[in-house]
Amino acid sequence: GAVVSQHPSRVICKSGTSVKIECRSLDFQATTMFWYRQFPKQSLMLMATSNEGSKATYEQGVEKDKFLINHASLTLSTLTVTSAHPEDSSFYICSALTMEYEQYFGPGTRLTVT
Amino acid sequence: ELKVEQNPLFLSMQEGKNYTIYCNYSTTSDRLYWYRQDPGKSLESLFVLLSNGAVKQEGRLMASLDTKARLSTLHITAAVHDLSATYFCAVPLRGGSTLGRLYFGRGTQLTVWP
Repeated sequence: GAVVSQHPSRVICKSGTSVKIECRSLDFQATTMFWYRQFPKQSLMLMATSNEGSKATYEQGVEKDKFLINHASLTLSTLTVTSAHPEDSSFYICSALTMEYEQYFGPGTRLTVT
Repeated sequence: ELKVEQNPLFLSMQEGKNYTIYCNYSTTSDRLYWYRQDPGKSLESLFVLLSNGAVKQEGRLMASLDTKARLSTLHITAAVHDLSATYFCAVPLRGGSTLGRLYFGRGTQLTVWP
């Protein structure tokens, strides 16, 4: 099956700094990728839809200036958490949509803001 | 507002026993997804149910979809320890121009003991 990677898998950053998370589709092209966040022992919440070559679409309640998304190529989307705070600590999971509309999830990135 | 309710949220069962997890959703949808998540890991796709009456089986797991009742079930037969994980159902979000946006239930944490 299709493979989606994320980098880094874990990151610890200080409050006030920014951190970038990469999501790559390794063996297929994805014009659409999604970013989710998951708090411990809770469900996944869709944050935004990342569209190659255009602006991301954010779900209601998600701050677009806080979570910057760039989908610069058909295989790469990045999520930058700007001016991170401890409440941004979470597990961030991306997914990528194939041309056949099958969705594959990345392994996740655990962000800890100290 | 779309609601996706899973029950039970926690399930502890003995090896060899059978049980069913339920997923109710509040909007019309002709498809539903089931995922498995192991602790600290991302999502593994289990089933994609694409129509009313769809039934799919893989090993000890069988999923079904009743779009009229807005209900999906995940049935576990003769549980084994390896099935211990959290199981999520997800329904496509309506609205917007992008397919693939998913709304997840809260998950059912399954523990299978000897």
